[in-house]
Amino acid sequence: QKEVEQNSGPLSVPEGAIASLNCTYSDRVSQSFFWYRQYSGKSPELIMSIYSNGDKEDGRFTAQLNKASQYVSLLIRDSQPSDSATYLCAVGSNDYKLSFGAGTTVTVRA
Amino acid sequence: DTAVSQTPKYLVTQMGNDKSIKCEQNLGHDTMYWYKQDSKKFLKIMFSYNNKELIINETVPNRFSPKSPDKAHLNLHINSLELGDSAVYFCASSHLGNSPLHFGNGTRLTVT
Repeated sequence: QKEVEQNSGPLSVPEGAIASLNCTYSDRVSQSFFWYRQYSGKSPELIMSIYSNGDKEDGRFTAQLNKASQYVSLLIRDSQPSDSATYLCAVGSNDYKLSFGAGTTVTVRA
Repeated sequence: DTAVSQTPKYLVTQMGNDKSIKCEQNLGHDTMYWYKQDSKKFLKIMFSYNNKELIINETVPNRFSPKSPDKAHLNLHINSLELGDSAVYFCASSHLGNSPLHFGNGTRLTVT
């Protein structure tokens, strides 16, 4: 399986701060990149998708993609206790497989 | 109005038994998947079907057999269950290509 690596957690941030999550991938021909949020005991939920280099913002979330560096990140601004979850980076290529990283657990301290 | 639904939610069984998990999606997607999430939360693809055709078959013991009667349904049958099969199994669906997956709620399988 193609490698997708995420920064090891857990990541603890105070409420209102920015949480920064990083992900690198090994397959240079990867074309689609996703961030999923997974609460304990629940299924992964899509929060961001990005396909081209640069930044994409959606509310308090910003995804950043740099294909040359094979790097994708997620910023969570104004972190809330409800953002406490495991965040999964997923990378897709032409072989129809979506490969997932091991996840980074984020805890937002009130 | 559930998008991807799978049953059962919990499955507790003994070693050596055979069990099935069912999945249905009403999103109109043409591709469905089975993923396994182990205790360390790592999600690994097992199988994928596109319009009832098997397109991804990862290195999975042949005790696991998927079946897709139509593009809205994908089932997973597991023979001779082993302790190591204990995990959460997620069904997902998407349009074929670089589209995001939509996951079902998962089936937590415990083999004793």
